[in-house]
Amino acid sequence: QKEVEQDPGPLSVPEGAIVSLNCTYSNSAFQYFMWYRQYSRKGPELLMYTYSSGNKEDGRFTAQVDKSSKYISLFIRDSQPSDSATYLCAMTQGGSKKLVFGKGTKLTVNP
Amino acid sequence: GAVVSQHPSRVICKSGTSVKIECRSLDFQATTMFWYRQFPKKSLMLMATSNEGSKATYEQGVEKDKFLINHASLTLSTLTVTSAHPEDSSFYICSASTSGWYEQYFGPGTRLTVT
Repeated sequence: QKEVEQDPGPLSVPEGAIVSLNCTYSNSAFQYFMWYRQYSRKGPELLMYTYSSGNKEDGRFTAQVDKSSKYISLFIRDSQPSDSATYLCAMTQGGSKKLVFGKGTKLTVNP
Repeated sequence: GAVVSQHPSRVICKSGTSVKIECRSLDFQATTMFWYRQFPKKSLMLMATSNEGSKATYEQGVEKDKFLINHASLTLSTLTVTSAHPEDSSFYICSASTSGWYEQYFGPGTRLTVT
């Protein structure tokens, strides 16, 4: 079992839809959770960062962490064509600061 | 958010030559920097972790004599690909973090093509 599982998609939605992206993980020691957005041929951009369980909202983006289920989600409301990108979940237990990444989900938002 | 730059954004070199890639944190002190490699449509592969003033720690399977990493200051790390070969062609991305942070901020990446 991989440490972090993420459905690679691709996921295609119409503009304005609510998008749900998810990752599951196996290491219960993970405490810090991140979502990155990566456009083609660019470096990843940090979207959301959460510590432990709970929700965090930033504009159209909401990150949820359920440590009991080892499950994290990113919701995008009112999706826009500019949201079309690959979304990577990442997490760490701290210490060395090395991040463990999911494989990424490719999202396309159609106008 | 914190800003990390990378230079050059793209480089083409001949087989057997060396190439240096720079990674700079522009508005924070990067106590730790990471170097990743990314193949097309694949996730990030960590190559090495470097702490300022210390030798880099390489991941298993990464040749430390081929991929030289220097992190001599709190704002600059360099990756030198020595005696590059076509199989070294890839997208190289650095990231940086600082004390008390667990998140990493990434540079825009460098596309290396070895002919």
